[in-house]
Amino acid sequence: KNEVEQSPQNLTAQEGEFITINCSYSVGISALHWLQQHPGGGIVSLFMLSSGKKKHGRLIATINIQEKHSSLHITASHPRDSAVYICAVPLIQGAQKLVFGQGTRLTINP
Amino acid sequence: DAEITQSPRHKITETGRQVTLACHQTWNHNNMFWYRQDLGHGLRLIHYSYGVQDTNKGEVSDGYSVSRSNTEDLPLTLESAASSQTSVYFCASSDDGWNSPLHFGNGTRLTVT
Repeated sequence: KNEVEQSPQNLTAQEGEFITINCSYSVGISALHWLQQHPGGGIVSLFMLSSGKKKHGRLIATINIQEKHSSLHITASHPRDSAVYICAVPLIQGAQKLVFGQGTRLTINP
Repeated sequence: DAEITQSPRHKITETGRQVTLACHQTWNHNNMFWYRQDLGHGLRLIHYSYGVQDTNKGEVSDGYSVSRSNTEDLPLTLESAASSQTSVYFCASSDDGWNSPLHFGNGTRLTVT
């Protein structure tokens, strides 16, 4: 069983739709990371969170430590949001080494 | 602006050759990581370093080595390239602290023929 599971693996939606990507993990964590990988391959860090909720523009990330689950939401989705979204958690509590989910490929059609 | 750069962006080599991929960061980060990304797998950790002269094996370290002689650079060497090492390689760096973001290079696409 993977230590970090994402769902769905692929998601296609129409512009303007509300998007939810889920991440469940089985290891103890200090912070969960959400990353975005653009079609060109570059990877950027979107969020790190250890509790509650964070918001950046149209992106919202939430985490439930007790349930070991995090969600990434995109409001008013746009074709430029098309990317692979990856969650990652530390292998060891408090460590920098991360284990990554396999990613969710999001396609937003105009 | 601070950045992390990888070179080359693309590399084709033959089985058995030694290959070195460069990673250079100007963030002054202590922590540096090498990952490989393959279809069907998430990013997997090859080697990592928490500071100068410190190197550690990750989950897929066989056939790879790294050295850390200064803060800025963590070159990844494939001692004898194998076709199974055809992949996209990403270097990343981060500051100390569990809540420090990772900064990624743009990746190196390596093909071993």
